[in-house]
Amino acid sequence: SSELTQDPAVSVALGQTVRITCQGDSLRSYYASWYQQKPGQAPVLVIYGKNNRPSGIPDRFSGSSSGNTASLTITGAQAEDEADYYCNSRDSSGSWVFGGGTKLTVL
Amino acid sequence: QVQVVQSGAEVKKPGASVKISCKASGYTFTSYYMHLVRQAPGQGLEWMGIISPSDGSTSYTQKFQGRVTMTRDTSTNTVYMELNSLTSEDTAVYYCGRSWSDYVGYWGQGTLVTVSS
Repeated sequence: SSELTQDPAVSVALGQTVRITCQGDSLRSYYASWYQQKPGQAPVLVIYGKNNRPSGIPDRFSGSSSGNTASLTITGAQAEDEADYYCNSRDSSGSWVFGGGTKLTVL
Repeated sequence: QVQVVQSGAEVKKPGASVKISCKASGYTFTSYYMHLVRQAPGQGLEWMGIISPSDGSTSYTQKFQGRVTMTRDTSTNTVYMELNSLTSEDTAVYYCGRSWSDYVGYWGQGTLVTVSS
């Protein structure tokens, strides 16, 4: 199986840009997807594929990838972006795996 | 619109089994896989398995092999997940999520399973 590693916590000043990263060997072969989860709620897909946003996701969310690292960037973070963010990808066995999650605080 | 509605909270004793349901609507049930993901209290998301509603084929992560079974009923557009030999470590919110390409695009509201003596 594969592991995806995320920083446990990241903070950003209101209106500034923040990057949340996800590292793992499987990311050399598969794109990551990113999920936002607010307390007491189900996760929501915010980025998938190379850099795609589902309908309704603000364009301040973007994704990128290089080597074994995938990144979620929020350009101009808003108070409502404060949440947990999880990356997700396939592993070598064909299963899916989630990163440990990053708690984003907007100051 | 796409909806996945899960069954209600469960309280089980150690060693028991639990079966939760995920009823899909708003799309062709047999055209999209259904994922199973859980989240222990204060912890991250953990992918458990997937089922093809079309033919019933399944794939589970190794950690749950032999203990989890996903099935489906195409007459009611419902996926079921059964987890056996419960321990306190299985206390978690269990989510069903409909696939969207290679991703979990639509999530159910979650089902809290509490394992306690």
